[in-house]
Order: sequence, then C-alpha cells, then structure tokens
Amino acid sequence: QVQLVQSGAEVKKPGASVKVSCKASGYTFTGYYMHWVRQAPGQGLEWMGRINPNSGGTNYAQKFQGRVTMTRDTSISTAYMELSRLRSDDTAVYYCARERVAVASHTPYFDYWGQGTLVTVSS
Amino acid sequence: DIQMTQSPSSLSASVGDRVTITCRASQSISSYLNWYQQKPGKAPKLLIYAASSLQSGVPSRFSGSGSGTDFTLTISSLQPEDFATYYCQQSYSTLLFTFGPGTKVDIK
Repeated sequence: QVQLVQSGAEVKKPGASVKVSCKASGYTFTGYYMHWVRQAPGQGLEWMGRINPNSGGTNYAQKFQGRVTMTRDTSISTAYMELSRLRSDDTAVYYCARERVAVASHTPYFDYWGQGTLVTVSS
Repeated sequence: DIQMTQSPSSLSASVGDRVTITCRASQSISSYLNWYQQKPGKAPKLLIYAASSLQSGVPSRFSGSGSGTDFTLTISSLQPEDFATYYCQQSYSTLLFTFGPGTKVDIK
C-alpha cells in the first residue's frame, strides 16, 4: 500500500534552515510528482511547490522562490523540502503529497499525503 | 494567479442534513477542481477529483458538481464522521495549486 512517511518535528531559531523528508513506499517513486503543502496553526492549506522525482525538475510558488529547495534521492525513494531564512510565520505543519492525474480529464490531484511535520520557529 | 473562494466559511448542521458547500474560482478552470476533507490533527483526505469524480473508498453521500468558475460539494445526509473542514483546490494552473480558504462543518 502507498505510504508517505515524514520526518519528525523540528524546532528552529529565526534565520535558520530546516529540511523535512518524505519517504515513499508502495509505488514507483519516480512515476509521480511530489508536492509540499503547509498549514500554519489554525489556518488553511498553502501550496509550496512540487518536484518531479524522475527528472528532479521543480516548480515553486512565487511566495517561496529563493527560500525553498525541493530535492529527491531516488535510491531511497525520499523527497526533501528545505526552507531557509526561517521566520516565526513559517511555524506550520508541512505535508508532502503525491500527485496523480485523472486519465480521462487529465486533472491533477493529491491522492496520498504524509502525516505532516510540525516545524516551530522560535527564538 | 487564480484565486479560490468558498462559502460559507463555516456552518452548523445536524446529522442527516443535506449540506452544500460552494467554491468559486477567479477565472475559468474547466473541471480542474478537487475537494479534500480535513479533521483536526490529521492530513487532508481526497474526496472528489476533477469536479465530480468520487475517490475510491469515499462514501457515495459525497458528490461534486460544476465547471468553469462555480463548483459545489454536497453531502446528501450528514454523518457524525463528516464534521470536519472542507477545502477546494484548483489544479488548472500547475504552477500554483491554489486551495480555497476552507469551510468548517460543525455540529448544530
């Protein structure tokens, strides 16, 4: 069965960087885009970007350009999201999610999600 | 950028009620619209993709409709496990997969 297992909670100081991992199992890792979505406490879902695990190509939301880096290690079926120059408003739960594309309509959607990783930014 | 809005932002309903949530896109997104359910402390769960296709394993009381800019999620008979927050998401623009602000459904 498909599983996305994320790394554990992190506490970081302002200005630091954090790297969250997402280990995939139960499917061909290189066959599906992986996305990152975050959720600040009590807030909605915010899309950060995606990576093509096959090519390593990325698309980032403009808001995070220059601060986020998404990478992957195909040998261990793991995707990574690194966010730099952390601020207090980066405190959030970060999720990875697998993209699937509907065959008939070509609509992308997120069918499997990781359990989330809480990143707390505090001095 | 495509903006997504949802209405209402919250609603109170009783078990057995028919519930409808609306999602609107700032420009036409054809049927590139998905719906997710999220319970506190949990990851979102896919309910509906491509505006009206029911994800495998999701109860048939959930349905979606719409195209272009206006979409609805309907729960035909609300069950206790349906109290949650619901998000729409556009996937028309693959450079920015925008979510709506969410609709919280709680017990009346």
